[in-house]
Amino acid sequence: DADVTQTPRNRITKTGKRIMLECSQTKGHDRMYWYRQDPGLGLRLIYYSFDVKDINKGEISDGYSVSRQAQAKFSLSLESAIPNQTALYFCATSDSMTSGVGETQYFGPGTRLLVL
Amino acid sequence: GQQLNQSPQSMFIQEGEDVSMNCTSSSIFNTWLWYKQDPGEGPVLLIALYKAGELTSNGRLTAQFGITRKDSFLNISASIPSDVGIYFCAGQPLGQGAQKLVFGQGTRLTINP
Repeated sequence: DADVTQTPRNRITKTGKRIMLECSQTKGHDRMYWYRQDPGLGLRLIYYSFDVKDINKGEISDGYSVSRQAQAKFSLSLESAIPNQTALYFCATSDSMTSGVGETQYFGPGTRLLVL
Repeated sequence: GQQLNQSPQSMFIQEGEDVSMNCTSSSIFNTWLWYKQDPGEGPVLLIALYKAGELTSNGRLTAQFGITRKDSFLNISASIPSDVGIYFCAGQPLGQGAQKLVFGQGTRLTINP
């Protein structure tokens, strides 16, 4: 079974619609992240959370919001989707207990979002 | 923001050939990670490097953390068809937390049988 799961895997929506992407993990990690991937631009950080009560903006947070419902769940919302939010979205996790050695992020399979 | 320069951007090789790709930065990093991404999937961690000079292997893959802490390379020996994909380097800048992981733009590997 996958350690980091994302739902849905694919989504088509229309401009102006509100949508939510969900991420769950069974790795027991305390830190979770949302990234966006566009062709030729690599991965860019949208939001991150170091624990249930901690939410932080990343590099490109405008137009997005997040909710950390539990240690294992981190959801990303697009309040009013626009076409330039068409992209691949990835959730990732890491364990702060390994930060002294070197902290590694583990990724989910991704959600492909198309905004028409 | 900070960026990593990953090269080459793409490679077209014959099956059985060795592959080499690298990442460089203008600033010092204290962690280097190498990921592989298959079409329609998320990046999968291949090798993690935590010390300058560290050389680590994972099967046919070998990666090194540069002595200057500003670069890293990944080598793949005797390539096979399943090596096809996009390879990303990622680094954690010195003094930054885990949220500051910086990604390269990827190297797309294509293998001709």
